[in-house]
Amino acid sequence: DTGVSQDPRHKITKRGQNVTFRCDPISEHNRLYWYRQTLGQGPEFLTYFQNEAQLEKSRLLSDRFSAERPKGSFSTLEIQRTEQGDSAMYLCASRRGGRGTEAFFGQGTRLTVV
Amino acid sequence: DAKTTQPTSMDCAEGRAANLPCNHSTISGNEYVYWYRQIHSQGPQYIIHGLKNNETNEMASLIITEDRKSSTLILPHATLRDTAVYYCIVSGENYQLIWGAGTKLIIKP
Repeated sequence: DTGVSQDPRHKITKRGQNVTFRCDPISEHNRLYWYRQTLGQGPEFLTYFQNEAQLEKSRLLSDRFSAERPKGSFSTLEIQRTEQGDSAMYLCASRRGGRGTEAFFGQGTRLTVV
Repeated sequence: DAKTTQPTSMDCAEGRAANLPCNHSTISGNEYVYWYRQIHSQGPQYIIHGLKNNETNEMASLIITEDRKSSTLILPHATLRDTAVYYCIVSGENYQLIWGAGTKLIIKP
């Protein structure tokens, strides 16, 4: 257990539905990251928060995706109007500082869009 | 961000040292080298990281060449539970990591 919690662990949804995932980082970590991982590939960066500010978003993050981190604590990732191509593992990581500090990952949320 | 090159797969006998190489020839002076591993269907697990000095912790050792263009992760006494995909990553300030496909390490009894 790394201390980063993600909920739910698995989600099956019908195409077109909205889904929301939650990440609870390690409490003293001010940086939070979301990644997406498909089978056989390494994780792909989606977005990054420092405290409550969303500082960077990948071009992978289409308009259907939105992420928040109210009060700089937990974070949510919402996908609207899901498509089959959204099926993947969504990973959250947190980090206490900048360059030279390690990030710890949660166990991920596996999304299946049917 | 720099990219890394790793072999696709490697085998190692249980109890022996596993040496996983990584090339990062375009690394810049302030980029750290990080190693993570991922066991099937789990989140990536942090192993070790370094800037230019060799590093050791309870899991592994990291050897970085003097020119910093390559590194080697050493698992000193590999066990079957070390079978995983190992990722070598270089990271600047914001940790927007560019992950490759990693090395699939298989530990054989």
